[in-house]
Amino acid sequence: SQKIEQNSEALNIQEGKTATLTCNYTNYSPAYLQWYRQDPGRGPVFLLLIRENEKEKRKERLKVTFDTTLKQSLFHITASQPADSATYLCAFVSGSARQLTFGSGTQLTVLP
Amino acid sequence: NAGVTQTPKFRVLKTGQSMTLLCAQDMNHEYMYWYRQDPGMGLRLIHYSVGEGTTAKGEVPDGYNVSRLKKQNFLLGLESAAPSQTSVYFCASGTTGNTGELFFGEGSRLTVL
Repeated sequence: SQKIEQNSEALNIQEGKTATLTCNYTNYSPAYLQWYRQDPGRGPVFLLLIRENEKEKRKERLKVTFDTTLKQSLFHITASQPADSATYLCAFVSGSARQLTFGSGTQLTVLP
Repeated sequence: NAGVTQTPKFRVLKTGQSMTLLCAQDMNHEYMYWYRQDPGMGLRLIHYSVGEGTTAKGEVPDGYNVSRLKKQNFLLGLESAAPSQTSVYFCASGTTGNTGELFFGEGSRLTVL
């Protein structure tokens, strides 16, 4: 069955450093991947989408890569800030109704 | 804009009781979804709808029913609640565009005793 995994449940980094989160998928070749941010007690919020023919996508301090050979997406936050502390979810879209299959998330803590 | 609104935000049920979660969106989206989120398991799709009057099963549909009588509303029902249905439930909606971006509500925390 289709599976999506986020390697780390929790990641702590120092303010100003680059955070790198990993998302791997198996038994599927998604046309695109999405990344969401979720704060405690809130719903996920869409951040970025990357298509299979795009190697890299950027939005302000965020960068996402998509390697279809490795079946992996990397999510980077440069010059991280304590306000970036949250859980980050990756997801791929499948099916005619564009159902999203989510990873379990990585909880990022940026230490001041 | 309200976006996606879920009611109630919190609810405690006893085993065997029934209840309905309401999701309303004001963005004129065709697609609506119900997910549940459990610790360590991420978001799992319960049911979804591609338009008014249509519904379909997701990954974990057992014990739940849904209805989409109006385009802006998507109801999730539990006919006979079980402790295994203790979870946080999220409703989401999306357009028919090709990005697949979903807009989520704030969640409904359900505890079944």
